[in-house]
Amino acid sequence: GAGVSQSPSNKVTEKGKDVELRCDPISGHTALYWYRQRLGQGLEFLIYFQGNSAPDKSGLPSDRFSAERTGESVSTLTIQRTQQEDSAVYLCASSMSGKNIQYFGAGTRLSVL
Amino acid sequence: DAKTTQPNSMESNEEEPVHLPCNHSTISGTDYIHWYRQLPSQGPEYVIHGLTSNVNNRMASLAIAEDRKSSTLILHRATLRDAAVYYCILRVNSGGSNYKLTFGKGTLLTVNP
Repeated sequence: GAGVSQSPSNKVTEKGKDVELRCDPISGHTALYWYRQRLGQGLEFLIYFQGNSAPDKSGLPSDRFSAERTGESVSTLTIQRTQQEDSAVYLCASSMSGKNIQYFGAGTRLSVL
Repeated sequence: DAKTTQPNSMESNEEEPVHLPCNHSTISGTDYIHWYRQLPSQGPEYVIHGLTSNVNNRMASLAIAEDRKSSTLILHRATLRDAAVYYCILRVNSGGSNYKLTFGKGTLLTVNP
């Protein structure tokens, strides 16, 4: 069946521009997580959705980062006024409930010039 | 957050068994031990998990020490496709149904032909 889909797979932007990253989770998965992976590092948690609510936003690095989820499905991570330090791979994962196995997408590689 | 410690890297030869160690001395009674792996340019992929008893699945085996302070992921016959970064993670309840994963740097497994 279809896995977690993320788009775009690659995004190159100029410093100061806004970007939107999209995640299509596996159908029926109520929990959705966003992570960030800097080059050569492990994944850092950003935000957790249960349904359309985000009870844990503790990993968002600044107020330039925001995310929403609609229809208990698609989620969008928005980064405003991008900075070079935002360059990373942004990964989305979904699971049937929070405690189940997380299924990851292939990520969006963001490069801020 | 409960932490895990893994070697930075390990090498193996094709078709030989591989034992990937993980220390988690601060594990609590309800923390599950999860292993994920990340192949180059892909998102992490679930491998196996356990609580107290050893576990086997089609991908690997998980051996958990009696005191639960360490565990070992066993790949019975390494193939070139097993070359990846392997992450040992304690799945902790972070409130409600939030089970965000805390990734370290993992172990980079190299498989020699």
